[in-house]
Amino acid sequence: DIQLTQSPSSLSASVGDRVTITCRASQDISDCLNWYQQKPGKAPRLLIYDASKMQTGVPSRFSGTDSGTHFTLTISSLQPEDVATYYCQHCHNLPPLTFGGGTKVEIK
Amino acid sequence: EVQLVESGGIVVQPGGSLTLSCAASGFTFSDYAMHWVRQAPGKGLEWVSLINWGGAMTYYADSVKGRFTISRDNSKDSLSLQMDNLRSEDTALYYCVKDMRGTWSAFDFWGQGTLVTVSS
Repeated sequence: DIQLTQSPSSLSASVGDRVTITCRASQDISDCLNWYQQKPGKAPRLLIYDASKMQTGVPSRFSGTDSGTHFTLTISSLQPEDVATYYCQHCHNLPPLTFGGGTKVEIK
Repeated sequence: EVQLVESGGIVVQPGGSLTLSCAASGFTFSDYAMHWVRQAPGKGLEWVSLINWGGAMTYYADSVKGRFTISRDNSKDSLSLQMDNLRSEDTALYYCVKDMRGTWSAFDFWGQGTLVTVSS
């Protein structure tokens, strides 16, 4: 099974800061990596698919990059409404379609 | 507007059975793969099962294989999850999720979830 390791598990940053979350895959998954945002008490929301493609309606401050096993989600200027837990998920093969452990983002 | 509405979550005893349902609307249901994803209280997301657009291909997480059965009725735009021999570790909020494609890729729409509690 493919394992996904997210880091950090939590972070606290100021409004306007650049925030980067990393997801490392245990093997090459090409660009088959997706990112989700889950706000407290809400269902997850797709932000980025295929490593770097932005889902419709997602603010442009969110972006994703890939290198086969090393993926990043960047928030270019953190906003109060970005407080959430962020998850990566691979779609390379199955089962299972693994999620990372999550990164909780808070405002300092 | 895409809508996914889950139902069927209840409190059930260990070893019991339960069927979750999901009513879909706002898109051509028969064109897309569908999934169940769960989240235990205070924990992360766990993919549970997938069914492809036509229903011929089904996949399961090892944790539920042999106990859960996913199915779909494209004539009724509905998705189901039959859950047998339930364990305490199956306690979770279960989400019905639409895939972007007919097989598997990204999860572009999620329901609000239905809570399953396995407890004596």
